[in-house]
Amino acid sequence: SQQGEEDPQALSIQEGENATMNCSYKTSINNLQWYRQNSGRGLVHLILIRSNEREKHSGRLRVTLDTSKKSSSLLITASRAADTASYFCATDRDSNYQLIWGAGTKLIIKP
Amino acid sequence: DTEVTQTPKHLVMGMTNKKSLKCEQHMGHRAMYWYKQKAKKPPELMFVYSYEKLSINESVPSRFSPECPNSSLLNLHLHALQPEDSALYLCASSRKGGLSDEQFFGPGTRLTVL
Repeated sequence: SQQGEEDPQALSIQEGENATMNCSYKTSINNLQWYRQNSGRGLVHLILIRSNEREKHSGRLRVTLDTSKKSSSLLITASRAADTASYFCATDRDSNYQLIWGAGTKLIIKP
Repeated sequence: DTEVTQTPKHLVMGMTNKKSLKCEQHMGHRAMYWYKQKAKKPPELMFVYSYEKLSINESVPSRFSPECPNSSLLNLHLHALQPEDSALYLCASSRKGGLSDEQFFGPGTRLTVL
């Protein structure tokens, strides 16, 4: 079953602008991860944030986590054409190995 | 080597065919995964192997048969598939399979069942 819900479903912005996408989840978590998937390809891990962290940065990426609202956001600053992809959040479950995936946000960066 | 490789990249098969998908990693990871992904949807977990033992089978039909010959290799044997099984099949690996493990994905096999 899917726990994460992402919004927006699709986002189209101009190159150079910032892109923000959100993920909400239903039950308590230990970690939340963000992945990127270029069209029809494998997923690439972007960042993991633990439940006791509120914010994390990696290059042009900034992830926040609000456990009280059961939500996370991914901010990509100074977007580039190469950022065009689908972005998925994934949370863990009580059992090992299994990630619960959000529906994904399709990001299009217009040149 | 931080790569997960998958072969073939594309596969077209009839409903009576038997074929296999192959996945390989040389990162020393001890957890390996098969996912199925339909267009515009998130990946759906099919199987998990941990230390070469099948740990999770997410109620996958028996026409999909996983195999883990060693710690680096993962196969998915396909037999008597249905057209609705057409999808992108992704293999992934992680260090141990723990809750905080990053998963490394292969590029996938695009499967079409006629």
